[in-house]
Amino acid sequence: DSGVTQTPKHLITATGQRVTLRCSPRSGDLSVYWYQQSLDQGLQFLIQYYNGEERAKGNILERFSAQQFPDLHSELNLSSLELGDSALYFCASSALTGWDEKLFFGSGTQLSVL
Amino acid sequence: SQQGEEDPQALSIQEGENATMNCSYKTSINNLQWYRQNSGRGLVHLILIRSNEREKHSGRLRVTLDTSKKSSSLLITASRAADTASYFCATERRDDKIIFGKGTRLHILP
Repeated sequence: DSGVTQTPKHLITATGQRVTLRCSPRSGDLSVYWYQQSLDQGLQFLIQYYNGEERAKGNILERFSAQQFPDLHSELNLSSLELGDSALYFCASSALTGWDEKLFFGSGTQLSVL
Repeated sequence: SQQGEEDPQALSIQEGENATMNCSYKTSINNLQWYRQNSGRGLVHLILIRSNEREKHSGRLRVTLDTSKKSSSLLITASRAADTASYFCATERRDDKIIFGKGTRLHILP
């Protein structure tokens, strides 16, 4: 068990809908990362937060947004969903001490857009 | 693409043999890491090598890094059935982003 909790584990929704994925980092970790994993694109970096602030941004679509709350949990919001958004979404956390960051991954949310 | 590249995409070997996977990347890095993913589950950190290191060992794992060629290799010695998984390299870039490759699927045959 990595200590990172993601909910829900599975999500089935329709095109055009909006969903929220939730992540609780390991106790003491201040940094949260979101990744999207699909068969053809591999593991794509979406966004990183540190202690409530956005720290780095990857290939995150404008229809997607995220935030990290004062209790350090994070939410990834996906709106106007398309079939191509179907993927496994991972959250990871790290202590972000400045060097040699190791990521601890949650078990992921499997999103299916029908 | 923001990603590095692992090679090969898939690898099947007999139990007990050694498995070698390679990773190439594009930009300067702080460190390079290898992760393992069992089918559909979260990734698990295996080993980290800093940009000023050339080789590192951890148990049956050996990682090398050649920053002049922007490449790394992961060697798993004396493979076991439990090593069947996908293996990803991840680079921590100078802008602190941690970027993953597409992975190598390793299958250990009994």
